[in-house]
Amino acid sequence: GNSVTQMEGPVTLSEEAFLTINCTYTATGYPSLFWYVQYPGEGLQLLLKATKADDKGSNKGFEATYRKETTSFHLEKGSVQVSDSAVYFCALISGSGNTGKLIFGQGTTLQVKP
Amino acid sequence: DVKVTQSSRYLVKRTGEKVFLECVQDMDHENMFWYRQDPGLGLRLIYFSYDVKMKEKGDIPEGYSVSREKKERFSLILESASTNQTSMYLCASSQPNLRNTEAFFGQGTRLTVV
Repeated sequence: GNSVTQMEGPVTLSEEAFLTINCTYTATGYPSLFWYVQYPGEGLQLLLKATKADDKGSNKGFEATYRKETTSFHLEKGSVQVSDSAVYFCALISGSGNTGKLIFGQGTTLQVKP
Repeated sequence: DVKVTQSSRYLVKRTGEKVFLECVQDMDHENMFWYRQDPGLGLRLIYFSYDVKMKEKGDIPEGYSVSREKKERFSLILESASTNQTSMYLCASSQPNLRNTEAFFGQGTRLTVV
């Protein structure tokens, strides 16, 4: 079945460091891929997405490129801030059409220190 | 401002009790979802609904049921609560076809079964 695997956390970085959170997936066909973020005490919110191979999603300085050949969708940011501290989830759509549903990875906790 | 509202942020129940978790969305979305979130396991889909009175099992439906009598409301029911159902529960809603839209999440209900 479809699944998503993320690198284990927590990831601890100093402010202005470069961030990479790895995400790989297993799926039939070419699913849409997503990164969701959960700030402390809040629900998840969409960070970025890509719907086809070689697409790059970007938002708030974060980027991820849909790599079909490596079945990956790694999240990157050039310079993290303390306010980026959160849990990051990689996800894909399983199923098709109107009854598709999101399948999530395990989540990666990011802590950014001043 | 779009909103998914879960009726309780924190809930403590006794083993064997019947528990109702309520979720309401104000976006006229067709699709609604219930996930549970556990450390190291990410979000796992319990049930989802793509129309009033329609429901489908997710990956971990055992011990749960759902009800969707009105479009805006999706209830998760623990028929006889057990300690292994202690978790964070997240409700989400979306328009059909997640490739072209996004899912919106509530803030979560942290349920403790004692």
